[in-house]
Amino acid sequence: QSALTQPASVSGSPGQSITISCTGTSSDVGSYNLVSWYQQYPGKVPKLMIYEVSKGPSGVSNRFSGSKSGNTASLTISGLQAEDEADYYCCSYAAGSTYVFGTGTKVTVL
Amino acid sequence: EVQLVESGGGLVKPGGSLRLSCAASGFTFSSYSMNWVRQAPGKGLEWVSSISSSSSYIYYADSVKGRFTISRDNAKNSLYLQMNSLRAEDTAVYYCARSPSVSYAFDIWGQGTMVTVSS
Repeated sequence: QSALTQPASVSGSPGQSITISCTGTSSDVGSYNLVSWYQQYPGKVPKLMIYEVSKGPSGVSNRFSGSKSGNTASLTISGLQAEDEADYYCCSYAAGSTYVFGTGTKVTVL
Repeated sequence: EVQLVESGGGLVKPGGSLRLSCAASGFTFSSYSMNWVRQAPGKGLEWVSSISSSSSYIYYADSVKGRFTISRDNAKNSLYLQMNSLRAEDTAVYYCARSPSVSYAFDIWGQGTMVTVSS
């Protein structure tokens, strides 16, 4: 149950697109199309942004999109806005009916 | 309004026990799997445990297996986490979270309850 690997930080200017990677193994990301992404502001509760690799919950901006290739999942934020500055975590369903979260990525809007 | 409200956190000595509760409202609690996720101060999210809608299936992270017990009472719309043999590394905010069986994602979260293990 090792954490999925994410970059510690990613930054971009307003209007740009950024991508956050999430690398796991064949026991989690590589085996299941059950990767989700969460946004968390400091001191606040995590919010579901993407589920099942690329599906967006109702009410979440379509500027957020997800994809997966092999053992790596990705979250792309298009048209970056100041309000997107937050921590982002990936999560994958894993072998043994467990879950594993990513190490987290701090997104900074320059 | 769909809502999850945790309670039961506090300060406990190493080796002690604590029971967390999570009260659900605004949805059919008995139709959803439920989970506990924790976050140590300044750290990332860590999945702790899951329980299926009818309590038939229960799973734990290796870090808490044998020490923590998840349970639920569908008649009371409540989720619980019994935590025994607590360690300093269990210090964290504990969130309860709902997961629809199809998506296996955590779509609704409570506000969290802080557990501090310290002498």
